[in-house]
Amino acid sequence: EAGVVQSPRYKIIEKKQPVAFWCNPISGHNTLYWYRQNLGQGPELLIRYENEEAVDDSQLPKDRFSAERLKGVDSTLKIQPAELGDSAVYLCASSLGGQGAGETQYFGPGTRLLVL
Amino acid sequence: GENVEQHPSTLSVQEGDSAVIKCTYSDSASNYFPWYKQELGKRPQLIIDIRSNVGEKKDQRIAVTLNKTAKHFSLHITETQPEDSAVYFCAAKPGGWGKLQFGAGTQVVVTP
Repeated sequence: EAGVVQSPRYKIIEKKQPVAFWCNPISGHNTLYWYRQNLGQGPELLIRYENEEAVDDSQLPKDRFSAERLKGVDSTLKIQPAELGDSAVYLCASSLGGQGAGETQYFGPGTRLLVL
Repeated sequence: GENVEQHPSTLSVQEGDSAVIKCTYSDSASNYFPWYKQELGKRPQLIIDIRSNVGEKKDQRIAVTLNKTAKHFSLHITETQPEDSAVYFCAAKPGGWGKLQFGAGTQVVVTP
């Protein structure tokens, strides 16, 4: 079974430029998460989707960040315009959803973003 | 919301010794506690998890204990090997729609 897929793996941009990250979750996983991981810290949730609905986006900086999950499968996270402080690893994760074993989150390899 | 504190931030052990990482959480509604291992430049990988209806869980050389009353849980790695070197994250999640809150991580270095 394929794991969570993310692209690109690395991205270097200049500040004020836009950038987009893509995630394909594990097949059959209804819940998709986007996390940001700063150097030396644990992942912090940006947004969670249940199918195509964003159910928790309280930590998403909505002035510059946007996300979508059309058709409840793949998802895209966008930053426009990027700032120096956005440099981090952006992790996508997915889970079956619900309680019990459905809570287990599986992470993708992440996109390492560097804003110059 | 939930707050998870993790100690120590770095841990150096000799190969073959045991390693213990401790985490505390603040939300008494938390009932799911996973541990992730992250090697440099790689994805976090689940190594073990425990739910609040269980006090201890073991899987070969790793074990997790949970004390609901004191709101703390610990990861124990026995007979450490160089490939155990990585950053380990604890996390806690309240039931229902609660989000998974991660600790700051512990850098474990196993020296031969």
